Amino acid sequence: QVQLVQSGAEVKKPGDSVKLSCKASGYSFTSYYIHWVRQAPGQGLEWMGIINPSVGTTNYAQNFQGRVTMTRDTSTSTLYMDLSSLISDDAAVYYCARAGRGGATTNFDYWGQGTLVTVSS
Amino acid sequence: QSALTQPASVSGSPGQSITISCTGTSRDVGSYNLVSWYQQHPGKVPKLMIYEDTKRPSGVSNRFSGSKSGNTASLTISGLQTEDEADYYCFSYAGGSNFEFGGGTKLTVL
Repeated sequence: QVQLVQSGAEVKKPGDSVKLSCKASGYSFTSYYIHWVRQAPGQGLEWMGIINPSVGTTNYAQNFQGRVTMTRDTSTSTLYMDLSSLISDDAAVYYCARAGRGGATTNFDYWGQGTLVTVSS
Repeated sequence: QSALTQPASVSGSPGQSITISCTGTSRDVGSYNLVSWYQQHPGKVPKLMIYEDTKRPSGVSNRFSGSKSGNTASLTISGLQTEDEADYYCFSYAGGSNFEFGGGTKLTVL
């Protein structure tokens, strides 16, 4: 069965970087785009960016450009999201989500369980 | 501030119908048939309810329907049930591998 399993909770200080992982299984890893979405406490969903696992191309939301890097390791079917220069507003649950086939699709059929990132001095 | 505008809250009684709007622009909602709707219960992962403006994934109740007119997409829930109480988010393609969520709407079933 399709699964996206994310790494565990992180506690970081302002100015730190965090690298989250999302391990995919149960499907052809390179056939489906992956998005990263975050949700601050009590707030809405925020789209962060997309990666094509086949070739590694990415596109990031303007709010995160310069601070976010999304990568993948095809040998382990794992996606990574690196966010740098953390501030308190980056405290959130971060999700990876699988999109339907095609880069422009907006239907996320599978989600990771989420990773809580806490930013505190 | 979200790129897509949704009402902060809507409410309805069991058995009634409600509609949640999602207003974008001609560069996103109005340009592509690629609006999805997600339901999120507290502490849970979002669930896809509608995709490509009007399509319903298998397993989603036919009480949920999507529509679009111009730059505004809408989610309608008919025959409201208590378990429909949740947050709802629209999500649209905006061209150039860009995507955006609406701010979310809290549905209360009275």
